[in-house]
Amino acid sequence: EAGVTQFPSHSVIEKGQTVTLRCDPISGHDNLYWYRRVMGKEIKFLLHFVKESKQDESGMPNNRFLAERTGGTYSTLKVQPAELEDSGVYFCASSRTQGYNSPLHFGNGTRLTVT
Amino acid sequence: AQSVAQPEDQVNVAEGNPLTVKCTYSVSGNPYLFWYVQYPNRGLQFLLKYITGDNLVKGSYGFEAEFNKSQTSFHLKKPSALVSDSALYFCAVRDDTGGFKTIFGAGTRLFVKA
Repeated sequence: EAGVTQFPSHSVIEKGQTVTLRCDPISGHDNLYWYRRVMGKEIKFLLHFVKESKQDESGMPNNRFLAERTGGTYSTLKVQPAELEDSGVYFCASSRTQGYNSPLHFGNGTRLTVT
Repeated sequence: AQSVAQPEDQVNVAEGNPLTVKCTYSVSGNPYLFWYVQYPNRGLQFLLKYITGDNLVKGSYGFEAEFNKSQTSFHLKKPSALVSDSALYFCAVRDDTGGFKTIFGAGTRLFVKA
């Protein structure tokens, strides 16, 4: 099966600009997660979709971040306007089931640099 | 609140020697523990998990992990390290009171020298 796909792999934008990240989960995976890793730090949870519904968005840092998953397939994460502290690697992950013991399948990440 | 600590930024080991990457955790409910590995410019890959049962869990590529409830630890081990094991390793936890989000540690870089 095809893995989790993220686009773009890299993005360099200026402070104040807008960036949209895309994630295509594994086909049939209803659960989709966004995570972010700032250089050398832990991978931080942002939010969790079950199909098109936001199950948990407790990790979203502020209202400059907007995540959508229309139709329950691919997801987008928009940052508008971007700030310097938004730089990092954004990971998307998916899982077929919502069980506590279900491992996550990760994409390769999008490296976002805000200058 | 859930948390994961990986006390070592980097672990260095010679090829053929045993390796250990340490992880401790804190949860409110019952822990579900995972190890993931990240190779350069790739996403995280699942290695192994502990749910219940035997405290020694076996996973991919010859890795295993030992769950210790009293010490709230879940250390990753391998009897004989390979140069190709060099990568970034993340410990992660869920618990049955914190929803379905997975909490990750900061990662430990493993360097295996030939």
